[in-house]
Amino acid sequence: DAMVIQNPRYQVTQFGKPVTLSCSQTLNHNVMYWYQQKSSQAPKLLFHYYDKDFNNEADTPDNFQSRRPNTSFCFLDIRSPGLGDAAMYLCATSRGTGENTEAFFGQGTRLTVV
Amino acid sequence: SQKIEQNSEALNIQEGKTATLTCNYTNYSPAYLQWYRQDPGRGPVFLLLIRENEKEKRKERLKVTFDTTLKQSLFHITASQPADSATYLCAFSLNTGFQKLVFGTGTRLLVSP
Repeated sequence: DAMVIQNPRYQVTQFGKPVTLSCSQTLNHNVMYWYQQKSSQAPKLLFHYYDKDFNNEADTPDNFQSRRPNTSFCFLDIRSPGLGDAAMYLCATSRGTGENTEAFFGQGTRLTVV
Repeated sequence: SQKIEQNSEALNIQEGKTATLTCNYTNYSPAYLQWYRQDPGRGPVFLLLIRENEKEKRKERLKVTFDTTLKQSLFHITASQPADSATYLCAFSLNTGFQKLVFGTGTRLLVSP
């Protein structure tokens, strides 16, 4: 049973055209993360939520926004995608702190910018 | 800033041998360190978590060590199989008010029959 679900698996968008990626979870976890991963690189944290509290990484471009309307859903909005934003976007959840930071990942959304 | 380093070169080993992967970290003292497996085109999957006061943790054919003096974790797969071929990532959580998980670049393991 899928616990963290990302839609779509593959997304093609035009340069500069806003795009939204979605993530849902059935685990009722407090923390939701968005990571960007480019080929052969580490997943790079963009932002995360602890419940409704939002934490943006200092080096996350302003072009990237996020929404978490409720515990189960989280969205990544890219306002004006550039070619450099083509990557795998990974959503993950965890229960919270300390030993509970084990992360559960979705299958990812592969974003192509044309 | 906090940094995690893993060997970027792929590790090639023969089936049945023990694979050993290394994770080094700097500028931080994590209370917990985690290891994940990632297959191509998929999200990482959690394998093991080890606490700073644990020297070693085992799960089936997997073993993780955590040396806080050396700032290093070793990840071992014994009796390796071709199905173990994947990229293995280490990660730790930063306790900066929010708990956030930071990953290394991963090491690709290739197990040949």
